[in-house]
Amino acid sequence: DVQMTQSPSSLSASIGDRVTITCRASQGISNFLAWFQQKPGKAPKSLIYAVSSLQSGVPSRFSGSASGTDFTLTISSLQPEDFATYYCQQYYSYPRTFGQGTKVEIK
Amino acid sequence: QVQLQESGPGLVKPSGTLSLTCAVSGGSISSSNWWSWVRQPPGKGLEWVGEIFHSGSSNYNPSLKSRLTISVDKTKNQFSLKLSSVTAADTAVYYCARYSFAYGFDYWGQGTLVTVSS
Repeated sequence: DVQMTQSPSSLSASIGDRVTITCRASQGISNFLAWFQQKPGKAPKSLIYAVSSLQSGVPSRFSGSASGTDFTLTISSLQPEDFATYYCQQYYSYPRTFGQGTKVEIK
Repeated sequence: QVQLQESGPGLVKPSGTLSLTCAVSGGSISSSNWWSWVRQPPGKGLEWVGEIFHSGSSNYNPSLKSRLTISVDKTKNQFSLKLSSVTAADTAVYYCARYSFAYGFDYWGQGTLVTVSS
């Protein structure tokens, strides 16, 4: 299985801060990397697919990038509605695997 | 707009079989997408369970494969999950989701909590 190691597991940030979450794959996954946002009691919401492509309707303050097997989700200016848990996921191979999540909290 | 809705019993006895159905609306289950199940134990992360194509081809998480069956009913535009010999470790919110080759896991159901308890 491809292991997805996400960091940090949690972070505290203020409105307007730039936030970066990273995910490292245990082996090459090409560009088959997605990011999801999940709020308490809700289903995950797809933000980004194929490393850096935004799903329709997702604000442009969200962006994704990659360097080898390291992947990054960046929120350029944190908004109140962005406080949530974020997960990365690889869909290059089976079984599909997720990172353990990063909880973004209000400082 | 594609919508997915899970349904099924919220309580299953240990050693029993967990059965859930995902109804798809706003799109055809016979489109070129895979139909997936993902679960999340309370307070924990996401685990991919498995998926099915409208042809009946399926892929399962090896950790569940011996207990898992995913099927599709094209006449009802829905797909289903059956997980046998359940234990408390199978207690989770179960989500159904669409996997698109172009857009990844783009549409999700709201999720349904299944508790395994006597």
